[in-house]
Amino acid sequence: GENVEQHPSTLSVQEGDSAVIKCTYSDSASNYFPWYKQELGKRPQLIIDIRSNVGEKKDQRIAVTLNKTAKHFSLHITETQPEDSAVYFCAAFKGTGNQFYFGTGTSLTVIP
Amino acid sequence: ETGVTQTPRHLVMGMTNKKSLKCEQHLGHNAMYWYKQSAKKPLELMFVYNFKEQTENNSVPSRFSPECPNSSHLFLHLHTLQPEDSALYLCASSAEGDGYEQYFGPGTRLTVT
Repeated sequence: GENVEQHPSTLSVQEGDSAVIKCTYSDSASNYFPWYKQELGKRPQLIIDIRSNVGEKKDQRIAVTLNKTAKHFSLHITETQPEDSAVYFCAAFKGTGNQFYFGTGTSLTVIP
Repeated sequence: ETGVTQTPRHLVMGMTNKKSLKCEQHLGHNAMYWYKQSAKKPLELMFVYNFKEQTENNSVPSRFSPECPNSSHLFLHLHTLQPEDSALYLCASSAEGDGYEQYFGPGTRLTVT
């Protein structure tokens, strides 16, 4: 099956700095890679995603990059704000069985 | 409101009890999922249903029994649970196909005493 590893597990940055979270996956058949944000006591919500035919995607302060050869993808948050503080999960999906495999999560703290 | 609801939001049960968790989605999706979220662990996929048919069962103990009567409703029946089963149980739904956004419910916080 698929194995998704996520680093770091915790990350603290000063407000205005950038934050980068990295994930690796093992199954080259995985073709869809979403990132979810989960605030304390709330449900995970999609913030950005990327498909295997694209190398980079950007949405305002958030970007995701994908390296299919190396089987890793990263989340980049620029100009961080306190409201970015949350747990972020990466995931890898492959069509067979409709299975999503999640990383262990990164707890991001943005210090005002 | 994401269109996925779960009841109850909190549940405390003894190890000999039988209870059920309910999930309902109003998004017209065809795939529904049960996840277990424990502290410091990744989201663990438990069950997947596509068009009411169970397609995945990730080695989940038989004390968890899913039921999907139609593509809008999903249940998780619980019996003779263990304290280590205490966790947040999240339901999600998505359009069936090659990778679509999952919409999560608010979860049921389960405590087994």
